[in-house]
Amino acid sequence: DIQMTQSPSSLSASVGDRVTITCQASQDISNYLNWYQQKPGKAPKLLIYDASNLETGVPSRFSGSGSGTDFTFTISSLQPEDIATYYCQQYDNLPRVTFGPGTKVDIK
Amino acid sequence: QLQLQESGPGLVKPSETLSLTCTVSGGSISSSSYYWGWIRQPPGKGLEWIGSIYYSGSTYYNPSLKSRVTISVDTSKNQFSLKLSSVTAADTAVYYCARRPTTVTILFDYWGQGTLVTVSS
Repeated sequence: DIQMTQSPSSLSASVGDRVTITCQASQDISNYLNWYQQKPGKAPKLLIYDASNLETGVPSRFSGSGSGTDFTFTISSLQPEDIATYYCQQYDNLPRVTFGPGTKVDIK
Repeated sequence: QLQLQESGPGLVKPSETLSLTCTVSGGSISSSSYYWGWIRQPPGKGLEWIGSIYYSGSTYYNPSLKSRVTISVDTSKNQFSLKLSSVTAADTAVYYCARRPTTVTILFDYWGQGTLVTVSS
């Protein structure tokens, strides 16, 4: 089975800061990697699909990159409404779906 | 606007079967463009995919839960359902239903609000 890790597990940053989260797969997953935002008490919301494609309606301060085993999710300028936990999600053609453990983002 | 709504008992006894239903409104569950899935989240923990179903009844399950999971669809009611047997406290979680487009990319673009199911005697 493919294992997903995320780092850091949590972070605190100031409004306007650039925030970067990494997701690593235990084997090559090409670009089969999505990113979600989950605010407390709410369902996850899709932000990025196929590693780098911005979902319709999602602000352009969110971006993703990477392929193979190493992926990066970036918030270019952190806003108060971005306080949430962010999850990566990989998939394969069996199909199987696995989520990363999440990264909690707070305002400093 | 598509909406998904989970429903079912909030409390299930250990060893019994958890049963939840997801009602889809604002769209047809019989569309050839989507799968429908279940994802769960134990309190304070991460997300776990349970499985997905197509309107025809084709199913895909998480191998770690496959022996206990059944997902079914009722197109006449625009609903799909989850049954998880032999539950333990480890199955306590918020259960979400979600829509998955039938693209090569496996993503979940619409989610229900989630329902908490507690396993306890």
